[in-house]
Amino acid sequence: KAGVTQTPRYLIKTRGQQVTLSCSPISGHRSVSWYQQTPGQGLQFLFEYFSETQRNKGNFPGRFSGRQFSNSRSEMNVSTLELGDSALYLCASSQGTAQETQYFGPGTRLLVL
Amino acid sequence: DAKTTQPPSMDCAEGRAANLPCNHSTISGNEYVYWYRQIHSQGPQYIIHGLKNNETNEMASLIITEDRKSSTLILPHATLRDTAVYYCIASNTGTASKLTFGTGTRLQVTL
Repeated sequence: KAGVTQTPRYLIKTRGQQVTLSCSPISGHRSVSWYQQTPGQGLQFLFEYFSETQRNKGNFPGRFSGRQFSNSRSEMNVSTLELGDSALYLCASSQGTAQETQYFGPGTRLLVL
Repeated sequence: DAKTTQPPSMDCAEGRAANLPCNHSTISGNEYVYWYRQIHSQGPQYIIHGLKNNETNEMASLIITEDRKSSTLILPHATLRDTAVYYCIASNTGTASKLTFGTGTRLQVTL
């Protein structure tokens, strides 16, 4: 089975712009979670989508949003980018049932100038 | 989720067993112990998880104490490619999709 894929792998934006990142889960997985990793804050949970609905949400401002499509692919969007949004954005997929192991993609590295 | 505590760094000689400890003294009965690792700037890789019994797979063994307050991840024959940050996470059914990562243990495998 192919693993979790994320596009693009690298991205450079400027402050005030918006960005959309994409995640394709492992085939058959219905849950997609997004995480942000920065040197200062480490790996932090953003939100989870299951069957096109946001099921869990972390403690991030409303500038961070996401959605999931009927084929389980997910996108996350960050509007009005700030310098502090520079990070590695990771998505993880699982089948979405209880106590399922999450499998992570390689991440998208976003640099905000 | 229960808080986990890990040493910030460890060294291990190649070919030797790497034993990575994790303290989770406040773990509740329905929380599993998960281990992930992250090789520099890649996505975290799942290693193993368990509830109360010891577990073994092709990558590692997980030893959980009887009182479940601590656990040890064992890499039986560490190689240079095992150099990574190892995260121990306590997670229950409701939080399995929103893992809380701590700072982990940076394992350096040396020749």
